[in-house]
Amino acid sequence: ETGVTQTPRHLVMGMTNKKSLKCEQHLGHNAMYWYKQSAKKPLELMFVYNFKEQTENNSVPSRFSPECPNSSHLFLHLHTLQPEDSALYLCASSPEGQGVGADTQYFGPGTRLTVL
Amino acid sequence: AQSVAQPEDQVNVAEGNPLTVKCTYSVSGNPYLFWYVQYPNRGLQFLLKYITGDNLVKGSYGFEAEFNKSQTSFHLKKPSALVSDSALYFCAVRVYGSSNTGKLIFGQGTTLQVKP
Repeated sequence: ETGVTQTPRHLVMGMTNKKSLKCEQHLGHNAMYWYKQSAKKPLELMFVYNFKEQTENNSVPSRFSPECPNSSHLFLHLHTLQPEDSALYLCASSPEGQGVGADTQYFGPGTRLTVL
Repeated sequence: AQSVAQPEDQVNVAEGNPLTVKCTYSVSGNPYLFWYVQYPNRGLQFLLKYITGDNLVKGSYGFEAEFNKSQTSFHLKKPSALVSDSALYFCAVRVYGSSNTGKLIFGQGTTLQVKP
């Protein structure tokens, strides 16, 4: 395993529900990322956090709300999602700026989200 | 625009034969290039990267990749394919976001099918 865990692994929700995805890294990294992986599409970067500060929001709809309380934890809060938001959501971390190997991202197993 | 292209959706190869998965990139400056592999229902696993130095990079599970600056390519290779190599392979290039935090741009992925 990579040292990045994600829960839950599978989630089914209705369009009116509110749910949260959780990511935790045990690698001492300072940067964390959310990606969306849809069928037949490249991975889409959603958000980047570095030392708990959001450094990138890739024009993500406001129904996705990230939260990074510390460098080890990252959440993605979901509300009023659409069926087209069904996808695999991947979390990653990297030791950004920490010298050799700082450029490599390590991924969690993902949360498979289905919106009904 | 900075981008990565994987021209083949799928590559089929017989077990024991050499394999090549193609990747070309478009980026300003010196590229940092990566290969990741994704097995079913798993996150992405780091295989190898090129930062600088020798154009032939060796990585995990017997994979290697050749950086060719003139052709802007970074093809993944393995001398003898295994059935267990069957998976989805992603090429990526590192770029910098607005806050100078690194991020990856991925190709669309290539499915490798190794037949016994």
